[in-house]
Amino acid sequence: EVQLVESGGAVVQPGGSLRLSCAASGFSFSDYWMTWVRQAPGKGLEWVANIKKDGSEENYVDSVRGRFTISRDNAKKSVFLQMESLRVEDTAIYYCARGQRSFDFWGQGTLVTAS
Amino acid sequence: IQMTQSPSFVSASIGDRVTIACRANQDISSWLAWYQQKPGKAPKLLIYVAASLQSGVPSRFSGSGSGTDFTLTINSLQPEDFAIYYCQQGRSPPFTFGQGTKVEL
Repeated sequence: EVQLVESGGAVVQPGGSLRLSCAASGFSFSDYWMTWVRQAPGKGLEWVANIKKDGSEENYVDSVRGRFTISRDNAKKSVFLQMESLRVEDTAIYYCARGQRSFDFWGQGTLVTAS
Repeated sequence: IQMTQSPSFVSASIGDRVTIACRANQDISSWLAWYQQKPGKAPKLLIYVAASLQSGVPSRFSGSGSGTDFTLTINSLQPEDFAIYYCQQGRSPPFTFGQGTKVEL
């Protein structure tokens, strides 16, 4: 069974940092692009970043480029999102999802509050 | 790439046929996915590459379109289908979502 479990969400002050983790199981992790998607309270979905199977390529939405860094550890079957200089508008549930152009499995999400 | 869904809200009854439109502001070929999200839950993939039904999704869901205009159709709406639906383009990053369409009773 495919599972994605996010962790690391917390309440942080604006300007602070946080590192999110997503542990994968039930599939060959190194065969898939991985993606982070976020959802602000009561709002829609926003694609944040993705990373290639071997970690050699990363893409970001403009609003987080230069502040967030996506990475992965294929040996540990995990993907990470390092978030720096957090802003109030980064407050959201952060989901990790499997896939590059569409996302077939999602985690339950982890809440990040910048306040 | 900007994605625009219409309508934002749909009021429907059990057994109705519901159609949701999604428009891209540039050609995205068939790189379009549809998701369903229920309150407090993660989104669920319904349709990928515009018209392919994700494994396990009921056949009453179907997708069509290419280029800039796409449609999600739900035939014979069931009680479990009341949710928010999002389209998402996979043509080029950032892989943007539409603003969502809420299907309500």
